[in-house]
Amino acid sequence: EAQVTQNPRYLITVTGKKLTVTCSQNMNHEYMSWYRQDPGLGLRQIYYSMNVEVTDKGDVPEGYKVSRKEKRNFPLILESPSPNQTSLYFCASRAPSYNEQFFGPGTRLTVL
Amino acid sequence: AQKITQTQPGMFVQEKEAVTLDCTYDTSDPSYGLFWYKQPSSGEMIFLIYQGSYDQQNATEGRYSLNFQKARKSANLVISASQLGDSAMYFCAMREGQASGTYKYIFGTGTRLKVLA
Repeated sequence: EAQVTQNPRYLITVTGKKLTVTCSQNMNHEYMSWYRQDPGLGLRQIYYSMNVEVTDKGDVPEGYKVSRKEKRNFPLILESPSPNQTSLYFCASRAPSYNEQFFGPGTRLTVL
Repeated sequence: AQKITQTQPGMFVQEKEAVTLDCTYDTSDPSYGLFWYKQPSSGEMIFLIYQGSYDQQNATEGRYSLNFQKARKSANLVISASQLGDSAMYFCAMREGQASGTYKYIFGTGTRLKVLA
């Protein structure tokens, strides 16, 4: 089944404790992206990648890191999480020739 | 400046009636794409419909159609014959830099639709 998977789905952590949210897709898509969703703000793009070793900032990259060492994986790293990073995070992927983005199920992160 | 504006935080519609969700956008890029996504209470993001800036015809997908008015910079979603399962949050989004193949998306703040039985 074609899908984007994210792990963990839920995470409660404390300020400053480094964490990684994994994202993997099995559709051989070149493009991958991370978003955060906050009430009243919609989705905002954090980082995106157009291919292996090619990443670029979205609208809200501060406090986040990404890497794209393999085509299928695009982890989101929070080196020192803070409470304002409490949010619902989505990973998405897309093939260049298609318009549709495929979204993962989301990761709900709470930083205390 | 907000690039995607959804002015209706919430809407109600009677089952089987049509409903229009508003979306206006702002861009100076001649090549862009417009999208609508549905997010039910379960949380997943579901792609509904796409309109390219150069497309001459309004996009349609089943009961969904996109009323694209380029001069007004609007891309309203029309849902015909509403069903209870249409109750969800709806997001309008834009992708700029289509010609250069970028992957930068901007989303609106969403409209929560409730379909009444």
